Amino acid sequence: NAGVTQTPKFRVLKTGQSMTLLCAQDMNHEYMYWYRQDPGMGLRLIHYSVGEGTTAKGEVPDGYNVSRLKKQNFLLGLESAAPSQTSVYFCASSPLSGRAGNEQFFGPGTRLTVL
Amino acid sequence: GENVEQHPSTLSVQEGDSAVIKCTYSDSASNYFPWYKQELGKRPQLIIDIRSNVGEKKDQRIAVTLNKTAKHFSLHITETQPEDSAVYFCAAPIYLQGAQKLVFGQGTRLTINP
Repeated sequence: NAGVTQTPKFRVLKTGQSMTLLCAQDMNHEYMYWYRQDPGMGLRLIHYSVGEGTTAKGEVPDGYNVSRLKKQNFLLGLESAAPSQTSVYFCASSPLSGRAGNEQFFGPGTRLTVL
Repeated sequence: GENVEQHPSTLSVQEGDSAVIKCTYSDSASNYFPWYKQELGKRPQLIIDIRSNVGEKKDQRIAVTLNKTAKHFSLHITETQPEDSAVYFCAAPIYLQGAQKLVFGQGTRLTINP
């Protein structure tokens, strides 16, 4: 099993350009998440999904959109990139867990620079 | 909503000594507390977690303790080794519409000095 994979690994954009980050998981997990990681600020949740066809906003959703058309894929879109979106983006997935809590499995990350 | 505070932000210890990282949370309904380790340039990975029906959990050199009354939990690493050098994150859950979301602490950069 590949676990959680992300493409691309690195990307440099100019201000105003758009791009889509792809996350894929082969563990049949219900939940998927997109985080951004900035120095000294830990991991902040951008958007998440509790199942195919559903998405919801996290802590820092502005400037991003997401889609989950297939259970195994979770796409993060930047319609008009800004320098403030320079960050490392992590995707994660977890099984359906209700209130019991469950491990989140992270992808390798995408390092995005917006000039 | 949940607020997670993590201290210290940096920690340097001599190889073989112990390291302790502490986190506090605000939501008394939280019942699952994981710790993630992130090595330089790598993804975060779960190293240990604890649920609120126990006060302590151990896994070899790593232990986590939970005080639900005070709403804090701690990571203890004994007999530290160079490979323990990494950034460590605690987290606590919030639940919205049946979905679990994790709120992460700001991270602790642990350096093990030989």
